[in-house]
Amino acid sequence: EVQLVESGGGLVQPGGSLRLSCATSGFTFSRYWMSWVRQVPGKGLEWVANIKQDGSQKYFVDSVKGRFTISRDNAKSSLYLQMNSLRAEDTAVYYCARSDDYGDYPDYWGQGTLVTVSS
Amino acid sequence: FMLTQPHSVSESPGKTVIVSCTRSSGSIASNYVQWYQQRPGSSPTTVIYEDSQRPSGVPDRFSGSIDSSSNSASLTISGLKTEDEADYYCQSYASSDFWVFGGGTKLTVL
Repeated sequence: EVQLVESGGGLVQPGGSLRLSCATSGFTFSRYWMSWVRQVPGKGLEWVANIKQDGSQKYFVDSVKGRFTISRDNAKSSLYLQMNSLRAEDTAVYYCARSDDYGDYPDYWGQGTLVTVSS
Repeated sequence: FMLTQPHSVSESPGKTVIVSCTRSSGSIASNYVQWYQQRPGSSPTTVIYEDSQRPSGVPDRFSGSIDSSSNSASLTISGLKTEDEADYYCQSYASSDFWVFGGGTKLTVL
């Protein structure tokens, strides 16, 4: 069974940093693109970042470029999102998602972790 | 490009409902469309991938299609059940923005 479990969310002040983690199991992690998608409570889904199987390609939505970094540890079957210079508008539930072979779409999602940016 | 969905739809149990997803520019056929179901308090799950494919475990009451003439995709749910009440999102790949999601459609089963 494919499982994705996020952690690391919480309350952080504007300008602060947070590192999200996603522990996976039930599939060969190194064979898949991985992604982060966020959702403001009560609102729609927004893609945040993607990373290729070997970490050689990374893509970000414009609003987080230069502030967020995505990384992975294939030996640990884990995905990470380092979030710096956080803003109030980054407040959302962050989902870890596995992608299809080419990174074209998500197929499995984690349960999400809430990030709240507030003073 | 953007994907536009109706904000909400409602229908009675046992009936059929269609949720549309219209692509603003470029051909709907140029990239696969996926549909995700999100029940209240839960994370999204895939109900349709690659325009019309159903993951294992998704009932055949769910079907997907695309229509080039209207440049839109559709999710059809037949034999509606109260458990189908959820938000539904379409998604497609965009080379510049990577993944584009529709705004979501709230399905109410009256």
